[in-house]
Amino acid sequence: NAGVTQTPKFQVLKTGQSMTLQCAQDMNHEYMSWYRQDPGMGLRLIHYSVGAGITDQGEVPNGYNVSRSTTEDFPLRLLSAAPSQTSVYFCASRDRLEGKLFFGSGTQLSVL
Amino acid sequence: ILNVEQSPQSLHVQEGDSTNFTCSFPSSNFYALHWYRWETAKSPEALFVMTLNGDEKKKGRISATLNTKEGYSYLYIKGSQPEDSATYLCAFISGGSQGNLIFGKGTKLSVKP
Repeated sequence: NAGVTQTPKFQVLKTGQSMTLQCAQDMNHEYMSWYRQDPGMGLRLIHYSVGAGITDQGEVPNGYNVSRSTTEDFPLRLLSAAPSQTSVYFCASRDRLEGKLFFGSGTQLSVL
Repeated sequence: ILNVEQSPQSLHVQEGDSTNFTCSFPSSNFYALHWYRWETAKSPEALFVMTLNGDEKKKGRISATLNTKEGYSYLYIKGSQPEDSATYLCAFISGGSQGNLIFGKGTKLSVKP
């Protein structure tokens, strides 16, 4: 049972580079989301999706794009990385019954 | 902006001690309150989902209570063990089942053997 699979685990970028963080879940969850974790802050919502073809902004969406072409996949794109995007990123899907989140293993991103 | 406050920020206890921490959230438009346990180098994992005022949930030595009218939840750990060392996060949902989770900053618990 894979759950939520998130790649890569670690990434170093230079300012201005682009990259995509991948997230896939095999639990048929409609809701998927991306959070970032910074020291001294709670998990902050970047973008979320309530189903294929539907995405919306969370608390800190600037500098990030998402798409949801299938129920399983919810990639997060950084179009032009900035040092302020240095963070740990978590993808999570949510079960409809209880509403609890299932998290991926996280991506530690450094932007130099 | 909805705020979720957790206290204390960190806690150091001896093995065998019982401990508790608090999550405060806005009492209006409440839908659900979640508790997650986050061990170092791992991902957060759900402990409890609570929706009703007066709810009490228990999993082994860990239990939680919920007061939606005054906007707080307590997490209790009885007889702490070193393996309980983790950050405990609470998250609040308002407005309904489609609402997003708003997380507190967590309480970091360290249990010394």
